[in-house]
Amino acid sequence: AQTVTQSQPEMSVQEAETVTLSCTYDTSESDYYLFWYKQPPSRQMILVIRQEAYKQQNATENRFSVNFQKAAKSFSLKISDSQLGDAAMYFCAYRSPEIQGAQKLVFGQGTRLTINP
Amino acid sequence: NAGVMQNPRHLVRRRGQEARLRCSPMKGHSHVYWYRQLPEEGLKFMVYLQKENIIDESGMPKERFSAEFPKEGPSILRIQQVVRGDSAAYFCASSPSPGQQGGEKLFFGSGTQLSVL
Repeated sequence: AQTVTQSQPEMSVQEAETVTLSCTYDTSESDYYLFWYKQPPSRQMILVIRQEAYKQQNATENRFSVNFQKAAKSFSLKISDSQLGDAAMYFCAYRSPEIQGAQKLVFGQGTRLTINP
Repeated sequence: NAGVMQNPRHLVRRRGQEARLRCSPMKGHSHVYWYRQLPEEGLKFMVYLQKENIIDESGMPKERFSAEFPKEGPSILRIQQVVRGDSAAYFCASSPSPGQQGGEKLFFGSGTQLSVL
């Protein structure tokens, strides 16, 4: 079974600075998807960024980018120019290719990110 | 187009009572997923349903838990004879059919927080 590990329970960063959140995963599959989700106090799960394992190029979405190291099974999230609104729990998630249309996600334990003004 | 709607947002039950959690997927979505989030943990997959069919219930506890997604109406997650350990946030997510536009994306609701006294 696949597992996802986030080794940083908490992280903090000064506003406007850059922070990197770590994520490692374990799988024997060669084709899969990786995600970062943000969960603010409202509890809403918001998709931040998505990476397909067959793509070598790292995904980017505005201030958010990933460092995807397939051989090392590592998938870190970098947030540039941190803003107060970035404060939230961040979850790394893994998904196998679809079977019968299923999109089962395996989540890590989460990293609580605090932004210091 | 309204997002995934879950109700109630908060549900309090005494030990031994039944809990019914409702999820209305996004318009046009025929795939529904239920996840459970224990305090300070990531979300864990419970069950995957398509209209009138349970496709994958590998994450559901064997007893007391059931789920349905009828032809008409919302998906229901039902927990009978609740115990304190059932206290958690329960999230619903929906997606279109895989072949449809956006079929690879999951859209989450804001969750139902179940508290068992």
